[in-house]
Amino acid sequence: EAGVAQSPRYKIIEKRQSVAFWCNPISGHATLYWYQQILGQGPKLLIQFQNNGVVDDSQLPKDRFSAERLKGVDSTLKIQPAKLEDSAVYLCASSALRGVIYEQYFGPGTRLTVT
Amino acid sequence: GQNIDQPTEMTATEGAIVQINCTYQTSGFNGLFWYQQHAGEAPTFLSYNVLDGLEEKGRFSSFLSRSKGYSYLLLKELQMKDSASYLCAVRSNDYKLSFGAGTTVTVRA
Repeated sequence: EAGVAQSPRYKIIEKRQSVAFWCNPISGHATLYWYQQILGQGPKLLIQFQNNGVVDDSQLPKDRFSAERLKGVDSTLKIQPAKLEDSAVYLCASSALRGVIYEQYFGPGTRLTVT
Repeated sequence: GQNIDQPTEMTATEGAIVQINCTYQTSGFNGLFWYQQHAGEAPTFLSYNVLDGLEEKGRFSSFLSRSKGYSYLLLKELQMKDSASYLCAVRSNDYKLSFGAGTTVTVRA
């Protein structure tokens, strides 16, 4: 089966600019996650969708970050305006029930550099 | 919330065994995952434990003790391609994953 797709793979912007990332989860996966992974750290959950509804966005900096999942499939994550500390890899993951594991499958990520 | 600790780095020789420990404190436990992440790539699923004991999958094994809040990932017959970061992640009852910072394993010839 095709994996989680993300684009772009790399993005360099200046602070105060805007940027958007796109994610296409594995077909049939109802749950979609966006993570932020800063260099040397583990992924940190930003937002979780179940179909097209938000399950958890408690760690999303809502003053500058927004995300949507139209029609319960693809998702976009936007940062406006970007700050230097937003430099990180943004990982998208999706999951579906497989046995009892409910593991998450990760996309290749988008590496964002804010200068 | 979750507090997950694992060593920052480990080095071992090709063909050897390495054990990566992970300790956690959680407000609700619904399983522990180990992921492998090569530099510049996405994390990939290695193992899952929800009951106490050892789960073996080829050269990789994972152990869990829920009462001690402790897990380890055992990598046997190390190969150069095993050089990567290994992430311990705890799942809470709401199915959210919290990750440790990762352990970078370097395999030397």
